[in-house]
Amino acid sequence: GENVEQHPSTLSVQEGDSAVIKCTYSDSASNYFPWYKQELGKRPQLIIDIRSNVGEKKDQRIAVTLNKTAKHFSLHITETQPEDSAVYFCAAYGGGSYIPTFGRGTSLIVHP
Amino acid sequence: GAVVSQHPSWVICKSGTSVKIECRSLDFQATTMFWYRQFPKQSLMLMATSNEGSKATYEQGVEKDKFLINHASLTLSTLTVTSAHPEDSSFYICRAAEGPYNEQFFGPGTRLTVL
Repeated sequence: GENVEQHPSTLSVQEGDSAVIKCTYSDSASNYFPWYKQELGKRPQLIIDIRSNVGEKKDQRIAVTLNKTAKHFSLHITETQPEDSAVYFCAAYGGGSYIPTFGRGTSLIVHP
Repeated sequence: GAVVSQHPSWVICKSGTSVKIECRSLDFQATTMFWYRQFPKQSLMLMATSNEGSKATYEQGVEKDKFLINHASLTLSTLTVTSAHPEDSSFYICRAAEGPYNEQFFGPGTRLTVL
C-alpha cells in the first residue's frame, strides 16, 4: 500500500518568514495530493491540493509543488502569520484508491 | 463545502460503559462514511469505511466487536465504542462523501475521555 513520510514533525519560524513542509510517497500511481490544516481540537481543513498532472499550484500565500519523478510534494507558506500556527497534514491518494494515506503531521509554530 | 456534523462534540464516561457517536451529513446524502481516530499529536488513523446499507470494512487491528459502526441511512452513521477503557480516549472524526470517489468532508470530531 501507499506510504507517506512527512518532515519536519515540528517547525518553528518567525512571523514573516517562509515555511516549507515536505512529504514523500511510495506509490508511483498516486494521483491526488491534498494538504490539511488542523487547529487544536478541530477538524482538518483542506487548504490546497494538487493533482499528478500539475507541477505547482498557488493560492495567495500558500503553494504546493509536486515532483512525480522523485515522488515528493511540498507545502510552501510565505509571509507566515501567527494564525498560520497549526498542525499540517499531507495526504496521498493511491491510483484508483478513494482512501487517502496521511502523513504524520507537522506542528507549525509562528512566533510574533 | 458540504456540512457534516457530529454529536456529541465531547464526552466523558466511566470505564466499562458504551458510548455512541453520531455523524450526520446535513445537506447531502452520504453513501460512504469513514471513521478516523486521532491520538494526541498523532495523525489520522482510519478505523473503518462504511457504505450505506452494508457492513463496515474495518482496518487491520481495529476490533469490529468493540467499535460498532452502523450506517443505516444516507445521512447518519454511528460509531459505538463498547466497554470503553482509558486507552480508547481519543479524538474520533467521521468523514462523509456522496460516493467513495466523491469529495469527502470531515465532521468536527468528538473528544472521548474514558476515566
